[in-house]
Amino acid sequence: AQSVAQPEDQVNVAEGNPLTVKCTYSVSGNPYLFWYVQYPNRGLQFLLKYITGDNLVKGSYGFEAEFNKSQTSFHLKKPSALVSDSALYFCAVRDHTGFQKLVFGTGTRLLVSP
Amino acid sequence: KAGVTQTPRYLIKTRGQQVTLSCSPISGHRSVSWYQQTPGQGLQFLFEYFSETQRNKGNFPGRFSGRQFSNSRSEMNVSTLELGDSALYLCASSPGGTGTDTQYFGPGTRLTVL
Repeated sequence: AQSVAQPEDQVNVAEGNPLTVKCTYSVSGNPYLFWYVQYPNRGLQFLLKYITGDNLVKGSYGFEAEFNKSQTSFHLKKPSALVSDSALYFCAVRDHTGFQKLVFGTGTRLLVSP
Repeated sequence: KAGVTQTPRYLIKTRGQQVTLSCSPISGHRSVSWYQQTPGQGLQFLFEYFSETQRNKGNFPGRFSGRQFSNSRSEMNVSTLELGDSALYLCASSPGGTGTDTQYFGPGTRLTVL
């Protein structure tokens, strides 16, 4: 069965500094990987996904993620954090047999200080 | 395009009652998935419907059921409510044809069971 680990419950970063939110996965075969963000009292907003091809994926709001097959990781990054990036971030994986089902990590709260 | 809509946004029920939640997907999307989000268990997959058929089901008791209509709108029903059913219920839609599809989430229905 597929699984996702987000080892950090919270990440703190100062505005203007680069940020990284970590994600590792376990799945049979090649994974489909996703990042979503959740703001208070809101649903999940899609940021980016990796399906195949270039290991560096660019997404919405200046976010990008790097797929590393050997380390089974898919870390979310942004070169310069904004206070408005403060939110809850979820990594998710889908295998090739689960139709649309996503398996989510436990989430990482990002706090960007002014 | 209008996003995924969910009604109602908030619900308060008492133990033993039943509840029906509604989800309208993005126009043209044929797949609707439901997820439960709680502080303790995180985001968990309930089920997916595609072209009015349940295509996949998570590990939830039979009290949780759903259906999809010919216009792709979906409803989720929980019978004999328990305190532990208090959660944010998220609906997500996607075209549904391939595993590479992106799921887009609605704002959720927050259910409180007293």
